Amino acid sequence: EAGVAQSPRYKIIEKRQSVAFWCNPISGHATLYWYQQILGQGPKLLIQFQNNGVVDDSQLPKDRFSAERLKGVDSTLKIQPAKLEDSAVYLCASSSRLAGEETQYFGPGTRLLVL
Amino acid sequence: GNSVTQMEGPVTLSEEAFLTINCTYTATGYPSLFWYVQYPGEGLQLLLKATKADDKGSNKGFEATYRKETTSFHLEKGSVQVSDSAVYFCALSDQGGGSTLGRLYFGRGTQLTVWP
Repeated sequence: EAGVAQSPRYKIIEKRQSVAFWCNPISGHATLYWYQQILGQGPKLLIQFQNNGVVDDSQLPKDRFSAERLKGVDSTLKIQPAKLEDSAVYLCASSSRLAGEETQYFGPGTRLLVL
Repeated sequence: GNSVTQMEGPVTLSEEAFLTINCTYTATGYPSLFWYVQYPGEGLQLLLKATKADDKGSNKGFEATYRKETTSFHLEKGSVQVSDSAVYFCALSDQGGGSTLGRLYFGRGTQLTVWP
């Protein structure tokens, strides 16, 4: 079974530029998450989708961050404009509740550096 | 609210030493508890989990027991190997409502280095 795919793996931009990250979850997983992991900290949830609907975006800085999950499969996370403090690893995860399974599976992450 | 506190690292051990990484949690409901591991240059991988009180999760020689009375989920391994060097994250999941899955709340992570 293929895992969660993310691209790009690395991105360097200057502040005030925009950037977008892509995630393809495990096939059949209805729930998709985006987490932000700042160096030295644990991941923090930015947004959670169930199919193509938003379940929780309470921690998403909506003035600069946006995310969508068209057709309930792939998802993109965008930052516009970026700030220095957005430098982090952006992790995508997916999960399914089939047969009571609730494990979240993570992709390799996109490491963003804002200069 | 929900939160996880885990012991700060880094932790440095010799091969075959006993490992304990402490994790305590605060939760409003009845969470599931997880340990994730992040090897250098790789993504987060589930190491083990426990979904209710007194459950013991185990994998690759690692164990953790869900202790509701002490709100703890300490990670242990009897004999560590060099290949266990990684960052370990304790996490909890609130169950959410209806058919949705709960978000994960992570601790800050503990860096483990094992020397031969």
